Amino acid sequence: DGGITQSPKYLFRKEGQNVTLSCEQNLNHDAMYWYRQDPGQGLRLIYYSQIVNDFQKGDIAEGYSVSREKKESFPLTVTSAQKNPTAFYLCASSIVIAGSGETQYFGPGTRLLVL
Amino acid sequence: GENVEQHPSTLSVQEGDSAVIKCTYSDSASNYFPWYKQELGKRPQLIIDIRSNVGEKKDQRIAVTLNKTAKHFSLHITETQPEDSAVYFCAARRTNQAGTALIFGKGTTLSVSS
Repeated sequence: DGGITQSPKYLFRKEGQNVTLSCEQNLNHDAMYWYRQDPGQGLRLIYYSQIVNDFQKGDIAEGYSVSREKKESFPLTVTSAQKNPTAFYLCASSIVIAGSGETQYFGPGTRLLVL
Repeated sequence: GENVEQHPSTLSVQEGDSAVIKCTYSDSASNYFPWYKQELGKRPQLIIDIRSNVGEKKDQRIAVTLNKTAKHFSLHITETQPEDSAVYFCAARRTNQAGTALIFGKGTTLSVSS
């Protein structure tokens, strides 16, 4: 787990502002994921990326954007189009093994609050 | 797409009792089912997982069972201790044209009282 870092730990967003959450891993994992966690809602998938320069929408991608320019990095931007951004955001990474399970390792999370 | 239902949402037990959490999934093609434990304010941590080619897996006080026909799997914790108190999430692996991803249940808050 120590190989995945997220920053900042807390982030405050003003009305109409875009903010970017950082996620970095040094585990040499191919795949990276972003989840949003709300009380009683579990972990909901926002975006994921299996390889560099490619990413896919998850179940709640609206109002978010990502990039995957480097294997180690998968930043998430919460845009002004996301009307209810207050949540705990978790980044994860895993090795991609065809036909097998893939253990996901999570970062420590970023708590986003709206001012 | 894959949908994972988890029950109960809260579970309270006395120290030393057993706890069981159940999950159902919708995609019969799912073949990997991990369980994560999340303590308050911390990141989820994998505690046990099972693949579709086995029906049961055990690791000390924790066991997971899988019924592929019924599409459900369960987490069993025996001899519970106060430090087992946490939120537990089940998940199922979804595979489609876009790739693979884990779909999580909504979580079970387990409270173990001494």
